[in-house]
Amino acid sequence: SQQGEEDPQALSIQEGENATMNCSYKTSINNLQWYRQNSGRGLVHLILIRSNEREKHSGRLRVTLDTSKKSSSLLITASRAADTASYFCAAGLIQGAQKLVFGQGTRLTINP
Amino acid sequence: GAVVSQHPSWVICKSGTSVKIECRSLDFQATTMFWYRQFPKQSLMLMATSNEGSKATYEQGVEKDKFLINHASLTLSTLTVTSAHPEDSSFYICSARVGVQGLQSSPLHFGNGTRLTVT
Repeated sequence: SQQGEEDPQALSIQEGENATMNCSYKTSINNLQWYRQNSGRGLVHLILIRSNEREKHSGRLRVTLDTSKKSSSLLITASRAADTASYFCAAGLIQGAQKLVFGQGTRLTINP
Repeated sequence: GAVVSQHPSWVICKSGTSVKIECRSLDFQATTMFWYRQFPKQSLMLMATSNEGSKATYEQGVEKDKFLINHASLTLSTLTVTSAHPEDSSFYICSARVGVQGLQSSPLHFGNGTRLTVT
């Protein structure tokens, strides 16, 4: 079963605004990763946060992890039209060998 | 670096035929590759874990006789959809981790996917 639930399912904002996407998971994890997918393409890794980390930054991306609430958030600051894509969180489960379990994704649209 | 090439990018086949999809790691070795299936506007569903030199590990509910996986080398895994039917139409994506050990904490590198349409 899917471990990750994301909200919102769709988000539409104006260019320059910040976009926040949330992810929740059900069981214990080693890490949580965020990926981006352009329509009809494969996924591109954005950022990984380990279970003992609370916050991580990469360029305009900021990821937080709250293991007590089993949730994570991805913030994209100063959004650009090119950020339009679907964003997925993926949980690296403790009991899951090398598998990642993906959330439902958030479809982000940046309006110019 | 860390490029995963998937071929073909799209294929249309008739019901009852078989289709083979290739996934290659171009500049790294991968003992383990992962095959996902994705329906429109939905998430990725892990179908199976492909292990070099051994049998693939299939997720619950995935028919191993229908979705044949072969991982004959450290850079190539193939997924064959046998006796395809319209309900098999989907977007299939492969992925792999860099490194022979494939640690879970390293990111996945994805192919660009294969759009399968069965008529």
